[in-house]
Amino acid sequence: DGGITQSPKYLFRKEGQNVTLSCEQNLNHDAMYWYRQDPGQGLRLIYYSQIVNDFQKGDIAEGYSVSREKKESFPLTVTSAQKNPTAFYLCASSTPRGGSNQPQHFGDGTRLSIL
Amino acid sequence: QKEVEQDPGPLSVPEGAIVSLNCTYSNSAFQYFMWYRQYSRKGPELLMYTYSSGNKEDGRFTAQVDKSSKYISLFIRDSQPSDSATYLCAMKDGSARQLTFGSGTQLTVLP
Repeated sequence: DGGITQSPKYLFRKEGQNVTLSCEQNLNHDAMYWYRQDPGQGLRLIYYSQIVNDFQKGDIAEGYSVSREKKESFPLTVTSAQKNPTAFYLCASSTPRGGSNQPQHFGDGTRLSIL
Repeated sequence: QKEVEQDPGPLSVPEGAIVSLNCTYSNSAFQYFMWYRQYSRKGPELLMYTYSSGNKEDGRFTAQVDKSSKYISLFIRDSQPSDSATYLCAMKDGSARQLTFGSGTQLTVLP
């Protein structure tokens, strides 16, 4: 089945530590996105990538970094500079085929907590 | 003021009821409107996707867009306990790469 796989499901970060969240898709989608979800705040965009080796900052990129070396993969690193990283992180993808306005499809998220 | 406003609920209804979920928005450039359903500890699942004004029906679900009032709705007929979830509205204009989300409405359908 085609879909978006996020791992791990749960992740714990110690003070001063960088952690990397994995996102893999086999939908052959060009565009991929990372969102952060906090209670009562909806989804906020961290980074997005339209094609391999290119990505743009979203609304809350500070303290995060990404790479897009392969079409299928868009890992997110939460750095020690992100002072409030506890949240539910969601990866999404969409295809611009047929226009840039195709809907986004989501993985099942990674819940990050601070130790 | 947020670009997209959505009543967070919680909303509880008896099984079989008609549910109405709503979002208002301020950006008149929004043209594409989506409703997502999110179960606890899961990612959002696309329910409805509409362009511009009008209605769209899919089974028990109907999405309505009123661009003149900047108001969108999702109706659920014959609601079931399995419909219990958080419902997120999302929207974008024709050129933007990113979606703007509402904060979500938590719905519980009681058996």
